[in-house]
Amino acid sequence: EAEVAQSPRYKITEKSQAVAFWCDPISGHATLYWYRQILGQGPELLVQFQDESVVDDSQLPKDRFSAERLKGVDSTLKIQPAELGDSAMYLCASSFQSPGTREYFGPGTRLLVL
Amino acid sequence: GESVGLHLPTLSVQEGDNSIINCAYSNSASDYFIWYKQESGKGPQFIIDIRSNMDKRQGQRVTVLLNKTVKHLSLQIAATQPGDSAVYFCAELNAGNNRKLIWGLGTSLAVNP
Repeated sequence: EAEVAQSPRYKITEKSQAVAFWCDPISGHATLYWYRQILGQGPELLVQFQDESVVDDSQLPKDRFSAERLKGVDSTLKIQPAELGDSAMYLCASSFQSPGTREYFGPGTRLLVL
Repeated sequence: GESVGLHLPTLSVQEGDNSIINCAYSNSASDYFIWYKQESGKGPQFIIDIRSNMDKRQGQRVTVLLNKTVKHLSLQIAATQPGDSAVYFCAELNAGNNRKLIWGLGTSLAVNP
């Protein structure tokens, strides 16, 4: 079965540094999601793309976070500057259609900010 | 064994027993529900989904029951195996213009050999 790819799997950085995460969704999936997950909690949606357009970024801290999906395929999530509270798992997911269909998740990037 | 999945409780069952994980959802207008399994250090893995026009759906060793009257969702796992040990999340798709999955807090399932 095709999978969502994410890199890096782990990232350790110091506060005030910049970090970037990459996601390659399943081929043909128009919808791409970035989630943040705190240990023991459910994922929290940060941003949702439909092709190259942002559909929902209401929970994205725009003063420090940015996301892009320039060609409507792979996507990058950036944090600058990183803060201690950003330590979490960052998950990327994709789906064939808009919400109401199964989301396929990647393995996630575990971020630790020191 | 049975548990309510609102505060990340731990449900402990014996291998071979049936497990029931419960979830109370918030929005009576939600029309799509989904269960995910998440093992430590991994991304969530799809288990089963159900739309609001159904009250039961079965998969391989899993059954999801939907009770819209009391806004309750349950996941039943038959003949629980050690590989079923994970955190289980239910999620509902909210109604309205900005449709997105709203996730519960999860229930940790521990299977004792």
